[in-house]
Order: sequence, then C-alpha cells, then structure tokens
Amino acid sequence: DSGVTQTPKHLITATGQRVTLRCSPRSGDLSVYWYQQSLDQGLQFLIHYYNGEERAKGNILERFSAQQFPDLHSELNLSSLELGDSALYFCASSAPINTRDRVPNEQFFGPGTRLTVL
Amino acid sequence: GQNIDQPTEMTATEGAIVQINCTYQTSGFNGLFWYQQHAGEAPTFLSYNVLDGLEEKGRFSSFLSRSKGYSYLLLKELQMKDSASYLCAVIRDDKIIFGKGTRLHILP
Repeated sequence: DSGVTQTPKHLITATGQRVTLRCSPRSGDLSVYWYQQSLDQGLQFLIHYYNGEERAKGNILERFSAQQFPDLHSELNLSSLELGDSALYFCASSAPINTRDRVPNEQFFGPGTRLTVL
Repeated sequence: GQNIDQPTEMTATEGAIVQINCTYQTSGFNGLFWYQQHAGEAPTFLSYNVLDGLEEKGRFSSFLSRSKGYSYLLLKELQMKDSASYLCAVIRDDKIIFGKGTRLHILP
C-alpha cells in the first residue's frame, strides 16, 4: 500500500459523457501527478501539480482538466469522452523536493482507476 | 515513448542475472527512474539516477551515463516474482517521460 488513494477503482460510462477521477496523495506529499496508461501507448504523463499550482503539462488533451485543492487532493476531469479514452488512470505523489530523507522525486503510485468508455 | 528506447521483451532463468537497457535523448535531461510494474498493478519505484555511475540496492542496480544517454537496470539472483514489466522514465524539462517498458519473463 503506497498511501495514495484513488476513487473510483472502476468506471464504465458512455461516449460523450464527463467523469471525475479523484486522488488523495500520501500524507505530507505536496506533488500530485496524473498518468494515463493504455495498452498501445504505455504510461503517458498528463499533468503535475505542486501545492495547488500547475507545474508541468504533458500529453493532456484539451478535453481533460485537473486541479489540486487546498487540502492537496486532486481531481482529473475527462469530458466529451471517446472510446480511445478507455485506459488506466494513475495518480502519483511525491515528497517536497527539499525533504532530506527521501529519494528526490520518488513517486508513489495509487492503485489506479480503470475507465471503460462504451 | 518520445525517444526512450528499451527492449520490448526479455527472458531469463531463475537465479540468473539480467540487464535491461534504456537509451534516451539527452536534451533537457534531469534524472532517470526505473519502475517495476506487475500486470494490472501500479508501478513501484526501484531507483533514481541523476549522476553518472552505478547505484546498488540489494539485488537491483541501476547505471547511468549522461553523455551517452544510456542507462541499465541489473537484476541479480532472479526470482519468479521478478516477472514484470520494467519501465525506464526520464525527467526532461520538468516532464516525466516513460518508455514503453520491458516485459521480463522468468523461467524456472
């Protein structure tokens, strides 16, 4: 158990719909990362938040958005869903960069949300 | 995965040693991870390299050469539970880019 929680575990929805995935980082971690993993594309970095602010953007579609709240949990919103959005969505968290007793940038992954778009 | 190359699959025997290579584009490089991922599960952290050389951690070691854009993960005394995918990931300009992973099969 990494200490990172994600809900829901599974989500089945239809094309054109909108869903929200939720992530709670490990206690004390300020960074949250979102990833998409599909069979043909591997693990794709979507976005990184640090203490409520967006830090880096990867291959995130305009139909997708994310935010990190003051309590540090994060939500990934996926809208106008397409069949190709079916994937595992992982959230990961990491400690503040100046923490001495952790490997810099070591990320702890949540169990993932499996999204199926029908 | 954006110019990160690693073999798709490898096979090795229980008790043996295996080396999984990863090559990447060096521009904007800021560190390299290795992760292990069992099928259907989340990736788990194995190692992080930012300076040249070898980092040893138990049965697993990771090597980095920044000038060559090259890393390898060395697994010793292979066990059946090491059957998994091994993901190489590069931090480039604050973004994290994963290779497609190497699926490692362990034979008894």
